[in-house]
Amino acid sequence: AQSVTQLDSQVPVFEEAPVELRCNYSSSVSVYLFWYVQYPNQGLQLLLKYLSGSTLVKGINGFEAEFNKSQTSFHLRKPSVHISDTAEYFCAVSDIEAAGNKLTFGGGTRVLVKP
Amino acid sequence: GAGVSQSPSNKVTEKGKDVELRCDPISGHTALYWYRQSLGQGLEFLIYFQGNSAPDKSGLPSDRFSAERTGGSVSTLTIQRTQQEDSAVYLCASSPNRRWNEQFFGPGTRLTVL
Repeated sequence: AQSVTQLDSQVPVFEEAPVELRCNYSSSVSVYLFWYVQYPNQGLQLLLKYLSGSTLVKGINGFEAEFNKSQTSFHLRKPSVHISDTAEYFCAVSDIEAAGNKLTFGGGTRVLVKP
Repeated sequence: GAGVSQSPSNKVTEKGKDVELRCDPISGHTALYWYRQSLGQGLEFLIYFQGNSAPDKSGLPSDRFSAERTGGSVSTLTIQRTQQEDSAVYLCASSPNRRWNEQFFGPGTRLTVL
């Protein structure tokens, strides 16, 4: 079984400032890692994923994340946020070996970008 | 092309009634998932369909919940004898049949049980 912890439930940030959203996971098996974004009244959209290889992954909209196996973390960063980045962000994992790739999500982090 | 669609977008029902939620996946996607998003439990997996294989029902919270997928396409999630704790947004996702599958999510159905 896996679990995902997002350490911050809300993150207020000023426009053009950097932001980091923290994600830690616990798993007895190897996992894939994901960040999803949910804009108001919309479904989830994949931002980026870590499957294997380079631990620094780049995603859409200028986001990037770094996989740290020893710390079981997958923190999301953006060097300069826009008002349009206001949304809820979810970290998720799935068991590499299990059929189906079903996702286990963290509790989410609400990002509010202020002008 | 068209994304995952879900209907209805909102559903208000009375405690004890049955409800059906519908999901139309992206054409050609063989895998289909249901998740539930609620204030108390966050985002949680409910059920997974892959082609003609037996579904993975490990996330269904009680035997009041069931789902079917007809013809490998449209899926219906049924909740019998709804309870107030069933109030949530029910999200459907579909993905193509590859080793790793990006899941494409629909906009969800917001269920309110009075």
